Amino acid sequence: ILNVEQSPQSLHVQEGDSTNFTCSFPSSNFYALHWYRWETAKSPEALFVMTLNGDEKKKGRISATLNTKEGYSYLYIKGSQPEDSATYLCALNTGRRALTFGSGTRLQVQP
Amino acid sequence: EPEVTQTPSHQVTQMGQEVILRCVPISNHLYFYWYRQILGQKVEFLVSFYNNEISEKSEIFDDQFSVERPDGSNFTLKIRSTKLEDSAMYFCASNPGLAYNEQFFGPGTRLTVL
Repeated sequence: ILNVEQSPQSLHVQEGDSTNFTCSFPSSNFYALHWYRWETAKSPEALFVMTLNGDEKKKGRISATLNTKEGYSYLYIKGSQPEDSATYLCALNTGRRALTFGSGTRLQVQP
Repeated sequence: EPEVTQTPSHQVTQMGQEVILRCVPISNHLYFYWYRQILGQKVEFLVSFYNNEISEKSEIFDDQFSVERPDGSNFTLKIRSTKLEDSAMYFCASNPGLAYNEQFFGPGTRLTVL
């Protein structure tokens, strides 16, 4: 059974703090790693898709890195804002089309 | 910006009843998916669909489930005889083609089985 783990489960930060979360996965059969941002009552929104070891992607204040050899990815948010409050999901492709999701990190940014 | 839509947003049904969840994927996408999330659990893959047939399915997707693309726009998930444990948020997704492309998700249908 493929297991994708995310930590921490939840996080409360103050506006302006920088934060990061982790996604861990088995390094064998890796094909692609996806990060999604999911606000309550909205569609999960894709942030990044990463395929290569050492990949780094950035979108505004959010960035992500990938280490396929050791099986982890970090998501960083610089200068968190209240609108960053959401659940951040990572998901793995292992060559099949199905995505295998982690349990998510729920971020709450206090103004 | 094109988006995946799903109807209804919330469906309440009695155990044993049939339900059909509807999705309109993004128009030029070729692959379609259903996922679900039982409250407090991870999002789980159910099925993928391409060229009018199932291309992958999970162990969850048993004979009680079926999918169909009845016309050029809709993509449906049918549960023949609902059980209490089918209560979940059901998400439809689509993507243009390549396996590692991002999948575009709809907002979900919350199914409650009483």
